[in-house]
Parts: sequence; structure tokens; C-alpha cells
Amino acid sequence: SQQGEEDPQALSIQEGENATMNCSYKTSINNLQWYRQNSGRGLVHLILIRSNEREKHSGRLRVTLDTSKKSSSLLITASRAADTASYFCATDATGGGNKLTFGTGTQLKVEL
Amino acid sequence: NAGVTQTPKFRVLKTGQSMTLLCAQDMNHEYMYWYRQDPGMGLRLIHYSVGEGTTAKGEVPDGYNVSRLKKQNFLLGLESAAPSQTSVYFCASNSRDRGNQPQHFGDGTRLSIL
Repeated sequence: SQQGEEDPQALSIQEGENATMNCSYKTSINNLQWYRQNSGRGLVHLILIRSNEREKHSGRLRVTLDTSKKSSSLLITASRAADTASYFCATDATGGGNKLTFGTGTQLKVEL
Repeated sequence: NAGVTQTPKFRVLKTGQSMTLLCAQDMNHEYMYWYRQDPGMGLRLIHYSVGEGTTAKGEVPDGYNVSRLKKQNFLLGLESAAPSQTSVYFCASNSRDRGNQPQHFGDGTRLSIL
């Protein structure tokens, strides 16, 4: 079963706008990770946030984690057409043996 | 630096045929994983390995077997392919530092079972 559920399933925005994707999960975690998948390619790691962290930044990416609500959000600021991709959250569950459980993904389309 | 390499990239099989998907990584990672990705779903773990000579079942292991004879290689086998195994298969690897290292993915094998 999927640990993470992402919202929205699809998002279409104009270049320069911000994009926000949300992830909810079910069990306690060691960390939560976000990955990007371009069409026809494998997943690429974007950012990892540990369970004792609340916010993390990497370039135009901002990730928040609320362990009390079992939820995370990924914000992409000043989006570009090249950001068009699917975005997945993945949880490393406590006691899960270093395995990740992936969400169903958000398809982001950034239009010129 | 090639990272994670999967072969073949595409394959079409008939029901009942067998085949082996190959995964190789050049990052000296201890952990390796096989996932499948189906439309509208995230990745689901089939089998994984925490080191040479060891394998373990993931979320959807039925119909698949794996072997990790060498640290750099992780093989996924389908003994008798079924249409339900039509999917995109991804291999990934990461290092031993538990719970803190991102996984590195190959570009996938697109498998169709007729």
C-alpha cells in the first residue's frame, strides 16, 4: 500500500509562478524525501528532510515537514518550463530498514 | 560516472516467457532495490538487497526472483511472465548509512507482456 498520498494529482501553472505540492503519510518516519521524474526517465533526488527538522531549502525548493499532522509540502518558487515533471514524496519509515515508500505523485506542467 | 545502468531499456515478451533484467551500479553502494511503476501509482518495491549475497522481499514480490552475486549487480528475473507484469521497472541503489542517504535511480526498463 502507498504510504504517501500527494495533492494535487496534477498542477498547471505559468512560468514564474510558484508551485506547491503536498504529501500526507501514515506512520512515523526517520525522514521524508522528494524526487523528480522527467518523462521517460528515472527518479532524481531533490531534497531530504529529517523527522526533527521543520523546514529545509535548496535553491528554489522549500520543503516543510509537520510530523504532528504527518504531512509535508514542496514549494518550487519562480517556476520554469524545465520544472515540468512528476514529483514524488517518499518516506523512510521508522523501523523500515532503509526502504522508501513512495506516494502517487504530482504531475506539474509549467507553461510559457 | 555512469551511476545506475539498466539493461535492456525496452522488451516485449509473450505470456509464459522468462527473462532477466540487469542492474549495475558503479558507486560501491551496499543497498540495491527493484521497483515497478504503473500508471497513476508511485513506485512499489519488489525486492531489495542490503549487501552481496543477500536479498529480501518488498511490497509486491510475487512472480519475481532476484540475485545479488556481486556487489555492483542486482538481477531481477521473471520466470513465467504474465500480462499483469507489464510495467516500467526501476533499479536504485544507496549507501549503508541507514535512513539518511537518497537513492540513485536508473532510467528504467519498459516491459510489455502480450
